[in-house]
Amino acid sequence: QQPVQSPQAVILREGEDAVINCSSSKALYSVHWYRQKHGEAPVFLMILLKGGEQKGHDKISASFNEKKQQSSLYLTASQLSYSGTYFCGTEMGNQFYFGTGTSLTVIP
Amino acid sequence: EAGVAQSPRYKIIEKRQSVAFWCNPISGHATLYWYQQILGQGPKLLIQFQNNGVVDDSQLPKDRFSAERLKGVDSTLKIQPAKLEDSAVYLCASSLDRGTPLHFGNGTRLTVT
Repeated sequence: QQPVQSPQAVILREGEDAVINCSSSKALYSVHWYRQKHGEAPVFLMILLKGGEQKGHDKISASFNEKKQQSSLYLTASQLSYSGTYFCGTEMGNQFYFGTGTSLTVIP
Repeated sequence: EAGVAQSPRYKIIEKRQSVAFWCNPISGHATLYWYQQILGQGPKLLIQFQNNGVVDDSQLPKDRFSAERLKGVDSTLKIQPAKLEDSAVYLCASSLDRGTPLHFGNGTRLTVT
């Protein structure tokens, strides 16, 4: 039931772009994205509710392919503050599960 | 609005002892979640409540873990007896409804020695 994320880890230089993918084996009602910094609780980034929906704020955006049960998170022109572990979260029926996580490190 | 409140922040116990965690969700949030997060891993859902009913507790080790949500508001999670592998951060989260963000508390860091 746990969604699978790829890659597991990525290291970027400031200004570079990254894509994080999230795949589920079951039909999804929605996809959430969260970022967790070390020693802190996960913080909500965005929700996608409809297949084909795309959202974004600042330089972080996401898409949701309902048919493929996949979502992707796009980080452009990365900043040092983007470092952390990114989790997708998926609603299947009434249940909510976090993905396997992607560790992202941005270096100067 | 006030956030999700959890207590205690830290707890150290010996194996075979019991421990309880408390969570007060954001007012009006119908859904409450308890997650276990072991260092370096993602949050693992232990139990999900909708008001005071259980939606999912399939990953809750019921021989030692129990949880309740009183009157659809506060919740407690108990471990009895604790094992070394229970050392983790226990996160409580709440959400208003399906398709809305989860709001997390600061978590309780449990160390079992």
